[in-house]
Amino acid sequence: NAGVMQNPRHLVRRRGQEARLRCSPMKGHSHVYWYRQLPEEGLKFMVYLQKENIIDESGMPKERFSAEFPKEGPSILRIQQVVRGDSAAYFCASSPPSQQAAGSNIQYFGAGTRLSVL
Amino acid sequence: DQQVKQNSPSLSVQEGRISILNCDYTNSMFDYFLWYKKYPAEGPTFLISISSIKDKNEDGRFTVFLNKSAKHLSLHIVPSQPGDSAVYFCAASVNSGGSNYKLTFGKGTLLTVNP
Repeated sequence: NAGVMQNPRHLVRRRGQEARLRCSPMKGHSHVYWYRQLPEEGLKFMVYLQKENIIDESGMPKERFSAEFPKEGPSILRIQQVVRGDSAAYFCASSPPSQQAAGSNIQYFGAGTRLSVL
Repeated sequence: DQQVKQNSPSLSVQEGRISILNCDYTNSMFDYFLWYKKYPAEGPTFLISISSIKDKNEDGRFTVFLNKSAKHLSLHIVPSQPGDSAVYFCAASVNSGGSNYKLTFGKGTLLTVNP
């Protein structure tokens, strides 16, 4: 009964490189969410995806950031041409579709990927 | 614009005593509230939640109280145990209008329970 799996746990990139963060949701969960936590801050919503669909990307920076959740495989958060300000912990969460319909939205989080940009 | 505020960055409590963690919110549209616990190097773990139709929800040692008129909620842990030492995040969402998936988090409160 694996939980939400994120990899890598730590990622070091130089300015201008690309960062790819992966997230496999819990079994039976088709809803995936990405959050970013800057130092000394709370988690901030970035994007909500279902299989092959971006539902809400209102929390994503307009440039350099993209996310996908293909039919097969993990969800990917991609950051192009990283800058030092992208250094943060990126958390993925998932939930089953029935939960939202029931009026609650308990999301189950992975351990996060800590991105460091040199 | 911090819509969910946890004004105490840290709290220290003796084992066996009550821990009370507070959370205030400004958005009156919030109608579902959650508490998450986070250990270092791990992701947040769901603890307990409450809908705005209730003013109290209890689960074992954990009780959440909601005061809608004051836009305030609190998490009570009794009795506190050393294993409860973690960062506690308050989160809120708007269940109506189709955007209930978007959780807004506070900055967290570091709870330390001393043996």
